[in-house]
Amino acid sequence: NAGVMQNPRHLVRRRGQEARLRCSPMKGHSHVYWYRQLPEEGLKFMVYLQKENIIDESGMPKERFSAEFPKEGPSILRIQQVVRGDSAAYFCASSLLDSITEKLFFGSGTQLSVL
Amino acid sequence: ILNVEQSPQSLHVQEGDSTNFTCSFPSSNFYALHWYRWETAKSPEALFVMTLNGDEKKKGRISATLNTKEGYSYLYIKGSQPEDSATYLCASPPSGNTPLVFGKGTRLSVIA
Repeated sequence: NAGVMQNPRHLVRRRGQEARLRCSPMKGHSHVYWYRQLPEEGLKFMVYLQKENIIDESGMPKERFSAEFPKEGPSILRIQQVVRGDSAAYFCASSLLDSITEKLFFGSGTQLSVL
Repeated sequence: ILNVEQSPQSLHVQEGDSTNFTCSFPSSNFYALHWYRWETAKSPEALFVMTLNGDEKKKGRISATLNTKEGYSYLYIKGSQPEDSATYLCASPPSGNTPLVFGKGTRLSVIA
């Protein structure tokens, strides 16, 4: 069973470019969560999606950031016009059920570096 | 805003020593407490999920307890081994249907 797959592992962008981060959840999981880890910080929640729906985007900056989880294909976290402050590790997690007692299964993360 | 605090921030122990660290959370409106283990260059992996006051979970040499009345959970590692070296994260949801809020973690280094 493949786990949560994230790609790319490393992404380098220049200021002003767009970054697209992909996440394929575990087989059978329809709940996807994106977290960001800034240097010396913990995992910060960004957005929670189910298939074709954004459930909670309270942790996502209102400008330049968007997320989707289409009916077919991976979840995408998109950052437009990247700035140096966007440099961070972005982690995706998935769960089988929508329950606070469900364990999250994490991907290996995408390290975004903005030059 | 839910604050999940972990202490200590980092810990160095000798192989064979037992150790423990703390996760603190607001005792009001408690819903669940998760522990994750995060090895360097790998993904966080779930250890335990606890919901009931007084709950105790065990997995090999690692165990966890939960006190919802006073707002803390302890993670214990008995007879630490070098392979236990990792960052241990705890997390809790702010309400009954919201995603997990994580603490900053306790970084454990076990010296052979």
